[in-house]
Amino acid sequence: SAVISQKPSRDICQRGTSLTIQCQVDSQVTMMFWYRQQPGQSLTLIATANQGSEATYESGFVIDKFPISRPNLTFSTLTVSNMSPEDSSIYLCSVVDRVGTDTQYFGPGTRLTVL
Amino acid sequence: RKEVEQDPGPFNVPEGATVAFNCTYSNSASQSFFWYRQDCRKEPKLLMSVYSSGNEDGRFTAQLNRASQYISLLIRDSKLSDSATYLCVVNEGNQFYFGTGTSLTVIP
Repeated sequence: SAVISQKPSRDICQRGTSLTIQCQVDSQVTMMFWYRQQPGQSLTLIATANQGSEATYESGFVIDKFPISRPNLTFSTLTVSNMSPEDSSIYLCSVVDRVGTDTQYFGPGTRLTVL
Repeated sequence: RKEVEQDPGPFNVPEGATVAFNCTYSNSASQSFFWYRQDCRKEPKLLMSVYSSGNEDGRFTAQLNRASQYISLLIRDSKLSDSATYLCVVNEGNQFYFGTGTSLTVIP
């Protein structure tokens, strides 16, 4: 399976600022996703990161708040913009690494606390 | 109605016990099914895929019942290290749906 890293692993940020999270994969992957997991809850899909085009956002998530880049098949970023305490969460990158398989693998996550 | 539903537990079982989790899904066209394990403050990790014929990996057995639209995970001879949250995941094309997770604690 693909090896996925995320940076930063954690951060504490002030209200109103923005944070960009990076996701790096050690091989080219077909699909990349960004999830949010709030304490004690399951994962919520934010968007699918599309290589070379705009991300596909799920209901309740918008590009202005969560801009996403995916410049190539191994890298993506998620920005959490104009943060509020409600954005405190774990943000997880995941990938589907081969055409014809639909198994997801997750990065280690970024733990964000907004004060 | 949620796409995927799980009993959140918690399940507290003694070492050596057998424990089973079920997960129901709403879309009969769902294509593939997975169990993930998530330890506290860690990312989900694939435990096993669930095949129509059922599959076994050591102490873990997964079953799929398409007629009743549920999948199950059976853990035999529970170990302390099995304590975690178990997530049911259902794939519909490019959409993945996660259950809320079932919490398991194995007690010495």
